[in-house]
Amino acid sequence: GDSVTQMEGPVTLSEEAFLTINCTYTATGYPSLFWYVQYPGEGLQLLLKATKADDKGSNKGFEATYRKETTSFHLEKGSVQVSDSAVYFCARGGGGATNKLIFGTGTLLAVQP
Amino acid sequence: NAGVTQTPKFQVLKTGQSMTLQCAQDMNHEYMSWYRQDPGMGLRLIHYSVGAGITDQGEVPNGYNVSRSTTEDFPLRLLSAAPSQTSVYFCASSYRDRGQYEQYFGPGTRLTVT
Repeated sequence: GDSVTQMEGPVTLSEEAFLTINCTYTATGYPSLFWYVQYPGEGLQLLLKATKADDKGSNKGFEATYRKETTSFHLEKGSVQVSDSAVYFCARGGGGATNKLIFGTGTLLAVQP
Repeated sequence: NAGVTQTPKFQVLKTGQSMTLQCAQDMNHEYMSWYRQDPGMGLRLIHYSVGAGITDQGEVPNGYNVSRSTTEDFPLRLLSAAPSQTSVYFCASSYRDRGQYEQYFGPGTRLTVT
């Protein structure tokens, strides 16, 4: 079935380090792809999205490019801050005319000063 | 706009008790969903609704009921709570924008069943 696989955490980085969180998805159709962020004690917030191949989503210094050939949507940031510490979820649309989302298991990012 | 609101924020139940988790949105979104979040499993879809009066099952519907009598409200009912239902529950609403959906999440309800 449809699924999303993302790298396990936790990922621990020093401030200003480069971040990559890998995400791959099963290629049933051409789903929209999303990254959500969950700060401690809060709900999920949409961080960025891409709706078709080669689209690049970006927000708050984070970027991810929809790669159809590798079925990937890796999250990157050039210089992380302590305030970026959170859990990051990769998700794909459920396909078709549906509002369903299929989530990865989440990756905890801890940024140390 | 308040966005998506959920009550209560925390709840402890005994096995066999019933309760309703409330969810409301003021964005006039057609679509609403309930997810549960468990460690190492991400979020899993319980039930969803594509409009008032229409609901359908998600990935893990057993033990839960929903109804959608208005556009704004989408309560989730636990009929007979079990320890396996200990989880964090998120409600989300979404709209369709050029064929794609963007979901807005509530702050969550942390439920413990003893």
